[in-house]
Amino acid sequence: AQSVAQPEDQVNVAEGNPLTVKCTYSVSGNPYLFWYVQYPNRGLQFLLKYITGDNLVKGSYGFEAEFNKSQTSFHLKKPSALVSDSALYFCAVSINTNAGKSTFGDGTTLTVKP
Amino acid sequence: SAVISQKPSRDICQRGTSLTIQCQVDSQVTMMFWYRQQPGQSLTLIATANQGSEATYESGFVIDKFPISRPNLTFSTLTVSNMSPEDSSIYLCSAPAGGSGLYNEQFFGPGTRLTVL
Repeated sequence: AQSVAQPEDQVNVAEGNPLTVKCTYSVSGNPYLFWYVQYPNRGLQFLLKYITGDNLVKGSYGFEAEFNKSQTSFHLKKPSALVSDSALYFCAVSINTNAGKSTFGDGTTLTVKP
Repeated sequence: SAVISQKPSRDICQRGTSLTIQCQVDSQVTMMFWYRQQPGQSLTLIATANQGSEATYESGFVIDKFPISRPNLTFSTLTVSNMSPEDSSIYLCSAPAGGSGLYNEQFFGPGTRLTVL
């Protein structure tokens, strides 16, 4: 079985400050980890993924995430938040025996205030 | 990147009726997925639509309630049958980048917002 936890329902940051959205996972085997963003009344968009290699991955819109195997975490980060980053963020995990199916976390609402 | 469209974008239906949602991908893909999402909440996988074989349903979802067709590599439909207010949700289809594969992110359609009265 595979699962994902996003421990914070909501994250509030001021514009210009760094942001972190947390994600931990549980899988049997090597995880493939993904972050998606959902803007209001729009579909999900892919941000970045970790498959193998460098633990720090960079993605769209200046976001990055760090894979930490010992802590089973894959936190999403951005050095300087923008108001336009306000959205719902989902972490997802899949494994190689699961035919590409992803399990999604419950989502974290990020609000960036001017 | 794949572009995925869904029809209808929203609908309001009466209890006991059925609605078929269409999903079109602009390139050939091996797998397509159907999800359900309550507004502002997580995604729950309903089934994997495989071309040339029956769909694979997740626990809690059955073919009689959610029949799926996959006539070719770019198109799929999901029917929500004998609807009740509990079926009110957003239904999303998705496909993996590159058409297939275990390591690829998914592209999502814009969703179908269903309200059952």
